Amino acid sequence: AQSVTQLGSHVSVSEGALVLLRCNYSSSVPPYLFWYVQYPNQGLQLLLKYTSAATLVKGINGFEAEFKKSETSFHLTKPSAHMSDAAEYFCAVGNTGFQKLVFGTGTRLLVSP
Amino acid sequence: NAGVTQTPKFRVLKTGQSMTLLCAQDMNHEYMYWYRQDPGMGLRLIHYSVGEGTTAKGEVPDGYNVSRLKKQNFLLGLESAAPSQTSVYFCASSRDGDTQYFGPGTRLTVL
Repeated sequence: AQSVTQLGSHVSVSEGALVLLRCNYSSSVPPYLFWYVQYPNQGLQLLLKYTSAATLVKGINGFEAEFKKSETSFHLTKPSAHMSDAAEYFCAVGNTGFQKLVFGTGTRLLVSP
Repeated sequence: NAGVTQTPKFRVLKTGQSMTLLCAQDMNHEYMYWYRQDPGMGLRLIHYSVGEGTTAKGEVPDGYNVSRLKKQNFLLGLESAAPSQTSVYFCASSRDGDTQYFGPGTRLTVL
């Protein structure tokens, strides 16, 4: 069975600071990994995905994530936070072929001026 | 191109009432999904469909039924609503089972 753990239900940063949102996964087969973002009262939007190509994946809005098999991690980073980054972020794991994604419980990013 | 749309956006039901949530996508996607989102629990898969006329159970299917009579529509039904079904419901679709595209959600309250 696949699972995802997101460490920290809330992360607070100052505008301009580094953003680091943690995601660890468990999968018995090579995983596909996703980060989605949810702005208030909206659906989820894809930020980026890893599908066994490059281990460093670049997404939209300056976010990127690195797949580390040895650590079973797929942490999301952004060098400099912007106020507009305040949202909830979900990590998800699937596998090759048909995707039944398993989502983490989410991390709410708070950005202060 | 509207993407994934959901109807209604909000609904309040009394315990025991029934209702149907409609999801529509105009991207000609094969795969469609229904999730519920509850605080601190992320998204949990209720039912999904791999094509027109097919449906399958997800992680939390009890109390829900679905139908996919047309490729573009995926209906979620609650036959006898319970307070435990108070949640935000999201529909998603996918072309090839990879990236999922989400609708804006339906906020359901069961009193």
